[in-house]
Amino acid sequence: AQKVTQAQTEISVVEKEDVTLDCVYETRDTTYYLFWYKQPPSGELVFLIRRNSFDEQNEISGRYSWNFQKSTSSFNFTITASQVVDSAVYFCALTQGAQKLVFGQGTRLTINP
Amino acid sequence: NAGVTQTPKFRVLKTGQSMTLLCAQDMNHEYMYWYRQDPGMGLRLIHYSVGEGTTAKGEVPDGYNVSRLKKQNFLLGLESAAPSQTSVYFCASSPVWGYQPQHFGDGTRLSIL
Repeated sequence: AQKVTQAQTEISVVEKEDVTLDCVYETRDTTYYLFWYKQPPSGELVFLIRRNSFDEQNEISGRYSWNFQKSTSSFNFTITASQVVDSAVYFCALTQGAQKLVFGQGTRLTINP
Repeated sequence: NAGVTQTPKFRVLKTGQSMTLLCAQDMNHEYMYWYRQDPGMGLRLIHYSVGEGTTAKGEVPDGYNVSRLKKQNFLLGLESAAPSQTSVYFCASSPVWGYQPQHFGDGTRLSIL
């Protein structure tokens, strides 16, 4: 069965530090997708990125970058030069078939000024 | 452009009462989902629907029922509320192609006393 583990329950850093959120997954599917969602203090869930199992290229979007390594079943998320607005709970998720997602437990990130 | 709208946003119930949570989406999405979010457990799928008139069980379906009479609406019912159902409930939708990001509503905070 699919499983997503976000071992870091809470992370606290000072503004402008770089921070990496870990995501490790388990699946027997050969085709699958991984996602990251952000849940700011206001509570909504915001989609950040989707990556398929055949594309191991790293992706960068501004201060955000994602490192997908199939060999270690990991899809880690790095925020460079963190800002207070990055404070949120971040969820990693894995497709289960073509219809469902399995979510990790979430990592609460606090950026202190 | 409303996206996914959940009604109500907050509700307090007494044990044994019943209620229905309404989810409406205006993106013509085929797939719709109900999740619950509890501290330290991420989002867990309650029920989902792959089209009008269809429903299926997710990971934690006990105590809940759902209906998808119209494509744009997905209702979640609690027939006899229990304190264990105190949670934040999220509705989501996605297109039919599969592997597409799910779009989430803002959540319903439900307390059962």
